[in-house]
Amino acid sequence: DAKTTQPPSMDCAEGRAANLPCNHSTISGNEYVYWYRQIHSQGPQYIIHGLKNNETNEMASLIITEDRKSSTLILPHATLRDTAVYYCIVRVARSGGSNYKLTFGKGTLLTVNP
Amino acid sequence: DAGVTQSPTHLIKTRGQHVTLRCSPISGHKSVSWYQQVLGQGPQFIFQYYEKEERGRGNFPDRFSARQFPNYSSELNVNALLLGDSALYLCASSLEQTVVGLFFGSGTQLSVL
Repeated sequence: DAKTTQPPSMDCAEGRAANLPCNHSTISGNEYVYWYRQIHSQGPQYIIHGLKNNETNEMASLIITEDRKSSTLILPHATLRDTAVYYCIVRVARSGGSNYKLTFGKGTLLTVNP
Repeated sequence: DAGVTQSPTHLIKTRGQHVTLRCSPISGHKSVSWYQQVLGQGPQFIFQYYEKEERGRGNFPDRFSARQFPNYSSELNVNALLLGDSALYLCASSLEQTVVGLFFGSGTQLSVL
């Protein structure tokens, strides 16, 4: 699985958009970009994933550059409850029937301030 | 619907003891994975089971073992506990072998003294 690089921490004002970057310069053509977040004392929560096109769901938007070497997760109107560690993970969607582990880095601690 | 449930939520053991952690997946989910998360790090993959068969194993010593039961619940066993085994142990379930829709429980916090 391709390695990802994320800033260790970011701050955002409540109500503003939070833009979390992720570099994945060694991504392969069949690898997707996944985002999970982990709120303190809870397990990770799936947010969104994408391959080439930008994606949007009720939680966030995912912008992937044309060369696919980086992406940005956007929380359009951050709230205090969005304070969490955000993980960017790159891997194939299916691994042929065995071992489809998620490889987590240290992620980005997003702190939303009032 | 209930989410992924793990028990116990907290556990204190001493070095050399063994521990059994339990996980009940979301109803209908046939795949269960286990992850270890030490303080300040992201979760690290330990095992994955699908339809009661081991389908993946991370880089953990043989002291770690797991199994999945006919009702798809799972146990993680750790023998001869070391101080370094202190961590949050997370269980995740999914409908099939895909990372989309991987649902995590809140974990078991294990402290080894």
